[in-house]
Amino acid sequence: GAGVSQSPRYKVAKRGQDVALRCDPISGHVSLFWYQQALGQGPEFLTYFQNEAQLDKSGLPSDRFFAERPEGSVSTLKIQRTQQEDSAVYLCASSLVAGGGEQYFGPGTRLTVT
Amino acid sequence: QQPVQSPQAVILREGEDAVINCSSSKALYSVHWYRQKHGEAPVFLMILLKGGEQKGHEKISASFNEKKQQSSLYLTASQLSYSGTYFCGFGRSNTGKLIFGQGTTLQVKP
Repeated sequence: GAGVSQSPRYKVAKRGQDVALRCDPISGHVSLFWYQQALGQGPEFLTYFQNEAQLDKSGLPSDRFFAERPEGSVSTLKIQRTQQEDSAVYLCASSLVAGGGEQYFGPGTRLTVT
Repeated sequence: QQPVQSPQAVILREGEDAVINCSSSKALYSVHWYRQKHGEAPVFLMILLKGGEQKGHEKISASFNEKKQQSSLYLTASQLSYSGTYFCGFGRSNTGKLIFGQGTTLQVKP
């Protein structure tokens, strides 16, 4: 288990439901990032953690999106009252250093809101 | 604000070379290059920090012109395994936040 893992890999939610997406970063990695990737587009930054501190959440599209990393390891991205426009692949990435280093991505969670 | 990549798509024969360009309208701290195959995670290729450096990784190399705020990825003697979508990601500080381009789809044919 050397890489970044994410669960679930696929999630179908009815509009209005809440979802929680999990990310297990590479052990010992200080930085953790969440990105949203729409079909045919590049990843879009959502939020950044350095250990347990959320240092940048400027990319979260609305207050329905919430992320946490309480013990500086596993992170959860929560989306409340899902909307159709939330349908996308949610990617998690981790980096060994605090900012600026190479980021290693997980396989992503494909969220479909119906 | 999003980096502009060119070309949008390219088709090569095995053994041919390709260049993918990426430019920004704002000052940059770093450039990251990733390759993503369909349905898979982006895979890290290389990172270049401001200073005009050039890096290489096997037959893939890249340059970063800080003054022009541009980066180029060079693929030489392409292999079938090079097929995928290439993304550049620009960092404007050392926080690690990356802004990605829209991607360049590369297809290598036998």
